[in-house]
Amino acid sequence: AQKITQTQPGMFVQEKEAVTLDCTYDTSDQSYGLFWYKQPSSGEMIFLIYQGSYDEQNATEGRYSLNFQKARKSANLVISASQLGDSAMYFCAMSPLSNAGKSTFGDGTTLTVKP
Amino acid sequence: DVKVTQSSRYLVKRTGEKVFLECVQDMDHENMFWYRQDPGLGLRLIYFSYDVKMKEKGDIPEGYSVSREKKERFSLILESASTNQTSMYLCASSRTRPDTGELFFGEGSRLTVL
Repeated sequence: AQKITQTQPGMFVQEKEAVTLDCTYDTSDQSYGLFWYKQPSSGEMIFLIYQGSYDEQNATEGRYSLNFQKARKSANLVISASQLGDSAMYFCAMSPLSNAGKSTFGDGTTLTVKP
Repeated sequence: DVKVTQSSRYLVKRTGEKVFLECVQDMDHENMFWYRQDPGLGLRLIYFSYDVKMKEKGDIPEGYSVSREKKERFSLILESASTNQTSMYLCASSRTRPDTGELFFGEGSRLTVL
């Protein structure tokens, strides 16, 4: 069984500052993928970034980076230079590579960017 | 632009009614999923399908069934809707490996059962 824990129900950040959203996971799978998705108030889930369990380097996509610490089973999302449009709910998820796509999600973190 | 389209954004149904939620994807993805999203509970997997006419139960299949007669279409069926099925329903699709398993989501269907 897989489990994702996001301990921050809500976060605030000042515009142009960096913010870290926490995610820890638990799995018995040896090979897995970790994902972050963004859900704006419009409701549609948007894929942000992916990290494979065997990837040695942390993933980066523009202003998003994933701080992957395998031994600690953490996969924190770092958003640099926050923008007002980053205000949304963020979900951490994982799926075993043997069943790619069958993802387990955390409860989400609501991020509010203050002007 | 590639898309996952859900047939209805908002539905209101009565207890005991049969409800169909339709989902169509135009990306030729093998895998399709139905998730339910409730506040504080994240997304929970109801059913998924890796191929036409194939289906597998997710974490919360009770009270739901699915149909996948064509590759691009995956339907969620509530045989007899109940108030505790009031929720946001999200359809998603993904490509089989070697892709990462990134999910492409529809806009969601918000169902209210009275």
